[in-house]
Amino acid sequence: AQSVTQLDSQVPVFEEAPVELRCNYSSSVSVYLFWYVQYPNQGLQLLLKYLSGSTLVKGINGFEAEFNKSQTSFHLRKPSVHISDTAEYFCAVLPGGSEKLVFGKGTKLTVNP
Amino acid sequence: GAVVSQHPSRVICKSGTSVKIECRSLDFQATTMFWYRQFPKQSLMLMATSNEGSKATYEQGVEKDKFLINHASLTLSTLTVTSAHPEDSSFYICSAREGQGTHEQYFGPGTRLTVT
Repeated sequence: AQSVTQLDSQVPVFEEAPVELRCNYSSSVSVYLFWYVQYPNQGLQLLLKYLSGSTLVKGINGFEAEFNKSQTSFHLRKPSVHISDTAEYFCAVLPGGSEKLVFGKGTKLTVNP
Repeated sequence: GAVVSQHPSRVICKSGTSVKIECRSLDFQATTMFWYRQFPKQSLMLMATSNEGSKATYEQGVEKDKFLINHASLTLSTLTVTSAHPEDSSFYICSAREGQGTHEQYFGPGTRLTVT
């Protein structure tokens, strides 16, 4: 079965520092990849997605992610974070042929002043 | 575009009662809707998948008689928690997909259910 691993449960950083949130998935078949952000007591908002094409994907709020097929990774990056980026971030995989998203356990990003 | 709403945003009910949560796609037709449950500080767990006009498909371990899902139209799905117990307290999130062959799910804002 497909699984998604977010290696860091919590990532504290200072404002304006760069950040990388790591995500690895298990499937060897074609997949679609997503990063979502969740603010407290809210639903999920799509940050970016990889369906095909360029392996570097740019999303909203200055985030980007790179799909690395050989390493089965889809790490999320931002060169300079803001206090407002403090939230929970979920990596998700949609295996080819499936309609069910598989989520990682989430990474809590805390941006400190 | 692609907005999904949920109602209510918060609900408190007593043990033994039933509560209904609505999920609506506001500006698109959702052929498929998904219901998730999220425990505090944990990830989303898929409960069931519903397609308009047909019975929902429940994930293993989810009681279909307890969590009744109805997807009566292309813009509305409901989740009814029957005979609620305190352990049913959770954050319930729905998502909607616009059509077959599309990959993106649009998520609602969630409903916080507290059973006393």
